[in-house]
Amino acid sequence: AQTVTQSQPEMSVQEAETVTLSCTYDTSESDYYLFWYKQPPSRQMILVIRQEAYKQQNATENRFSVNFQKAAKSFSLKISDSQLGDAAMYFCAYRRGSGSARQLTFGSGTQLTVLP
Amino acid sequence: SAVISQKPSRDICQRGTSLTIQCQVDSQVTMMFWYRQQPGQSLTLIATANQGSEATYESGFVIDKFPISRPNLTFSTLTVSNMSPEDSSIYLCSVRTHYNEQFFGPGTRLTVL
Repeated sequence: AQTVTQSQPEMSVQEAETVTLSCTYDTSESDYYLFWYKQPPSRQMILVIRQEAYKQQNATENRFSVNFQKAAKSFSLKISDSQLGDAAMYFCAYRRGSGSARQLTFGSGTQLTVLP
Repeated sequence: SAVISQKPSRDICQRGTSLTIQCQVDSQVTMMFWYRQQPGQSLTLIATANQGSEATYESGFVIDKFPISRPNLTFSTLTVSNMSPEDSSIYLCSVRTHYNEQFFGPGTRLTVL
């Protein structure tokens, strides 16, 4: 079974600084997707960024980028120029690319605090 | 993207009663899911809602406790039956689009007294 591990329950960053959230996963599949979701206090789950395993290029979305290390099964999220609105719980998630069991598997989350 | 609405947004219920949560999405989607998020925890998949047929439940979840309907491609309901305080959670509807992206509704915060 696939597992997703987020080893940092809490992180903090100064406003305008950069922070990196860690995520590792375990799978024997070669075709899969990885995601970062953000859940602010409003509890709305927001898709931040996604990465297809077959792509070597790291995904970027404005201030958000990932460092995808397929051999190491690592998928970290970098937030640049942190803003107060980035404060939230961040979840890393994995999904197989094919087959019937294509549900999202979530990590335990990292609570990010942004300090003014 | 997909815009998802859920009703109710929150509710406080008595032990032994049932609550039905509705999920509506603004476009046809390939798959719909129901998740539970217990306080301070990550998300756990309850079931995949299948259009016109019985939902596919994950281990630990059963149809008698969490009956699910999906009459069309844009609407689904989840019922939490015979509730106990342990059912107090946030329940989230989620959809997968034709572009393989997955989005979540705003959630329903349920408190069982």
